[in-house]
Amino acid sequence: ETGVTQTPRHLVMGMTNKKSLKCEQHLGHNAMYWYKQSAKKPLELMFVYSLEERVENNSVPSRFSPECPNSSHLFLHLHTLQPEDSALYLCASSQTGLAGDPYEQYFGPGTRLTVT
Amino acid sequence: EDQVTQSPEALRLQEGESSSLNCSYTVSGLRGLFWYRQDPGKGPEFLFTLYSAGEEKEKERLKATLTKKESFLHITAPKPEDSATYLCAVQAMNTGFQKLVFGTGTRLLVSP
Repeated sequence: ETGVTQTPRHLVMGMTNKKSLKCEQHLGHNAMYWYKQSAKKPLELMFVYSLEERVENNSVPSRFSPECPNSSHLFLHLHTLQPEDSALYLCASSQTGLAGDPYEQYFGPGTRLTVT
Repeated sequence: EDQVTQSPEALRLQEGESSSLNCSYTVSGLRGLFWYRQDPGKGPEFLFTLYSAGEEKEKERLKATLTKKESFLHITAPKPEDSATYLCAVQAMNTGFQKLVFGTGTRLLVSP
């Protein structure tokens, strides 16, 4: 495996279900991100983990719960979602440097989530 | 508030017809500006990083330029395989980590 992988690629869940999205990066990076991409809207940053510590929680509802057990893996646990949560969920990774050096982020293919 | 505006929203070109995509930004000190390409059903693919006004970078038929207010992605003699959505993002100086602010993208369609 190379780059950033995400599973599953597609997910349909009811509003009362609990599911998890998985992301794995094979680039040796030490920062990982979750983004939400909806039609006609810019990518929205949800969570950032740097050196396995959460450094950003961008006012995301508590029905989304991230987990970063190590620098290569990132999870997004989902429960009691709403139909408006249907979107493409993207994982990304990057290096981190001193004072937030502008390292590029590398994205996975995304999980297309549909909440019914 | 940091903001990125991309134009046009959509662009249709004939193969070989050169054009430019625009990314205007408002940021409290630019740390870096990023261009990505996104194909349908896939994640964004990194293209370029620009750091300061006057900087230019090239890759095949693509050339990115940067001024203090905007960036252009010039596409020379495009081919149908260049069809994609092109995203622009900025990172501001006042963020302690790689927080990117994205535009909504330009959908490019190149017809043979």
